[in-house]
Parts: sequence; C-alpha cells; structure tokens
Amino acid sequence: SQQGEEDPQALSIQEGENATMNCSYKTSINNLQWYRQNSGRGLVHLILIRSNEREKHSGRLRVTLDTSKKSSSLLITASRAADTASYFCATDAGGGADGLTFGKGTHLIIQP
Amino acid sequence: DTAVSQTPKYLVTQMGNDKSIKCEQNLGHDTMYWYKQDSKKFLKIMFSYNNKELIINETVPNRFSPKSPDKAHLNLHINSLELGDSAVYFCASSPNAGSSETQYFGPGTRLLVL
Repeated sequence: SQQGEEDPQALSIQEGENATMNCSYKTSINNLQWYRQNSGRGLVHLILIRSNEREKHSGRLRVTLDTSKKSSSLLITASRAADTASYFCATDAGGGADGLTFGKGTHLIIQP
Repeated sequence: DTAVSQTPKYLVTQMGNDKSIKCEQNLGHDTMYWYKQDSKKFLKIMFSYNNKELIINETVPNRFSPKSPDKAHLNLHINSLELGDSAVYFCASSPNAGSSETQYFGPGTRLLVL
C-alpha cells in the first residue's frame, strides 16, 4: 500500500458536526501536510505539521501527528457545506527535492 | 492574479498524438512539479525541477518530457499518447528545493485520450 493512506475513504456528516479523517504512512518523515481538493479543482494546502510537533491548529482545523504510530488525524470542527471536498494527507520522503507522496484521500460530504 | 496557472484546462486527443501542457507560476518559486491524478483520485509525483534542473524523475515513461524555458515555467510534453495517459495533470511549485515546503497547485489539465 502507499505512503499516506487516509481513512475513511468517504465520510458524510450533518452540517455543524465535527469531521475526523485519519492518515497512516510507512516511512520516516520530516513533515506531514493536509490538502483539500474541491471537485474539479486543484489542491489547496491546509496545514503542515513537522515531525517534532504533536498537534497544530488553524482556524477550525486541528491536526495531530503520532510518529510512533506513523499516523495523523485531521479534525474539522463545526463543519459547513463549503467543507465538502476531498482531503489528502501528503508526506515528504525527506531530503532533496522529492515531490510529496499523497494518499488516496477522504471524500467528505457535509449535508446541509 | 493566479499563482500557478496551466493551459489548457481540457485536452481531448487521439491515441498516438503528441501534446504539450503548459504551466506558469508567478510566485518566484525555485521548484516546480508535475503530478498525475488518475481516475481513482490517486495523485503521484512525476517530475520536479529546481532552477531549471531536473532533480527527480519517478518511473515515468520516457514519452513524457518536462521542459523548463525559465524558472517560472515548466511544460510537460507527451509523445505518442496512450489510452492510459488519460488523467488530470497538476503542476505545482514550492519556494525552495526540499519538500518540507508548502506546495501551490495549479487548477489541473484534464487529458482524455481516445
């Protein structure tokens, strides 16, 4: 399986609820990033967490990183219809200028 | 102003043709990338360029060739297109070499090979 696998693959919740997505990876990393992709659009960077950080916040987003378990979670609080999108975690291979390695993403649907 | 732009947005072509996709970034970044997103939304790095030098090249067929006329542009040329090349191709850029950087993505080019 690939570096950076998200689960669930799809998630449907009611507006106002919290959404949690998880990501697992296999190799050591320097950082882990989360991106959002709206339907038919490019990816937008949400948040970056470094390997020596355990938790990071940005607005309604909260990201955790557990390097011992090689996993990360993205929590979106008080979800809105506009949060409907696919969410991808991405890891770097470390060193050089390697591109990011993306998971398959979680498709999040916020029901109004 | 669009930070990372790609043209065309859509490209429909016949198998065997040669086509190019253009990418431009106005962010002053040093590194640019090409990614391929398949029908299952899996996104995979194809190339990265740093200061006009190819620094990585994943297991991509040599029918694909990146060309960078200057730091702000990274074009993707594809020879002898095959059905399996149908995908969405994304260009991205980051300030410096080294993937510990936020990457900025273009809107994508949807390629359909018939």
